[in-house]
Amino acid sequence: DADVTQTPRNRITKTGKRIMLECSQTKGHDRMYWYRQDPGLGLRLIYYSFDVKDINKGEISDGYSVSRQAQAKFSLSLESAIPNQTALYFCATSDSGTGSLHGYTFGSGTRLTVV
Amino acid sequence: EDQVTQSPEALRLQEGESSSLNCSYTVSGLRGLFWYRQDPGKGPEFLFTLYSAGEEKEKERLKATLTKKESFLHITAPKPEDSATYLCAVHSGGSNYKLTFGKGTLLTVNP
Repeated sequence: DADVTQTPRNRITKTGKRIMLECSQTKGHDRMYWYRQDPGLGLRLIYYSFDVKDINKGEISDGYSVSRQAQAKFSLSLESAIPNQTALYFCATSDSGTGSLHGYTFGSGTRLTVV
Repeated sequence: EDQVTQSPEALRLQEGESSSLNCSYTVSGLRGLFWYRQDPGKGPEFLFTLYSAGEEKEKERLKATLTKKESFLHITAPKPEDSATYLCAVHSGGSNYKLTFGKGTLLTVNP
């Protein structure tokens, strides 16, 4: 089983619909992140959480919300999806103790298309 | 604000043709520079961490080096399976321990 699991892997949704992307990890890491990746723009940080009670906005948080349900689970919601939220979304984890040694561990991504 | 610039955006090599990828960075207090490999449709996979100028790390045909302003990923005698996007990221004390990524270099190695 993967260390960081994202569901669904692919999703097509309509404009205005609410959608949730889920991430769970078995790494035992305390920190979790949501990034989106767009061609030519690279990876951009949406939200991050350093522990269950700590949630922080990243550089592109507008239109998104998150929930850290447990240390191992971090979900990303699009309250009302719009076409320019079409992207590849990645969840990542790191350990506050050793994070600087190995950076992040990434999930396999969710490809979201908003039509 | 931390900045990471990677060049070239894309690089096409023949099998066995060695080359280097560049990552230039501007940060307040570098705590680590990371290289990742990303295959199409997959998440980035960790390759190396470099901490201080002069440091070098090697893995198979890849060698990463670090100066005070940039890092190089040297690829020696590449094979087609080395084809991927290579991402550089920095971890600075000024960014509250978040990684800032470059846009990546798409490497294609032709047989």
